[in-house]
Amino acid sequence: DVQLLESGGDLVQPGGSLRLSCAASGFTFQNYGMGWVRQAPGKGLEWVSAISGSGYRSHYADSVKGRVTISRDNAKNMVFLQMNGLRVDDTGVYFCAKIISGDGYSLGAMDVWGQGTTVTVSS
Amino acid sequence: SYELTQPPSVSVSPGQTAKITCSGDALPQQHASWYQQKAGQAPVLLIYEDSERPSGIPERFSGSSSGTTVTLTISGVQAEDEADYYCQSADTTTSYVKFGGGTKLTVL
Repeated sequence: DVQLLESGGDLVQPGGSLRLSCAASGFTFQNYGMGWVRQAPGKGLEWVSAISGSGYRSHYADSVKGRVTISRDNAKNMVFLQMNGLRVDDTGVYFCAKIISGDGYSLGAMDVWGQGTTVTVSS
Repeated sequence: SYELTQPPSVSVSPGQTAKITCSGDALPQQHASWYQQKAGQAPVLLIYEDSERPSGIPERFSGSSSGTTVTLTISGVQAEDEADYYCQSADTTTSYVKFGGGTKLTVL
């Protein structure tokens, strides 16, 4: 069964840092791009970042560029989101998602989603 | 910046057909996807590449594209289809992914 399990969400003060993790299982991880999508309370979905299957290409939304780094460990079937300089408007549920195409492309549709991990930025 | 525009809400009676639109200037050049999100749950992919349906998605969900607008059609709407629906596309020239603002489908 294809599964994604996020972890690492927490309550953090503005300016702080967090590292989100996503453990993948049930598919050949290195063949698929992965992404992170967030959802602020009561708001819509916002794409945050994506990484290619090889890990060589990464992409970021303007709202997080320079503060966030996506990475992956294909040996451990994990993808990470390092978030620094957190702001109150970074608060939300962060979903990890698998890109549907098996060629490592990172900007396609997302066919498998985790249940999300909650990040709260507040003083 | 790359924007996708959806109507905030659509209402339909059970058994009727619901159409949810998504407009964006880059859509003639880029494929779109559609997601369903029920309250408190993760999104579910309904349609990718404008009109392809992943395995396990009921045939009553279909997608189409015309010019700068893509449309999600739900035929024979059921009460369980009440949810938020999001379109998504990527601008491959800027490597930027965008979601529409979402449409709340109400089944009357």
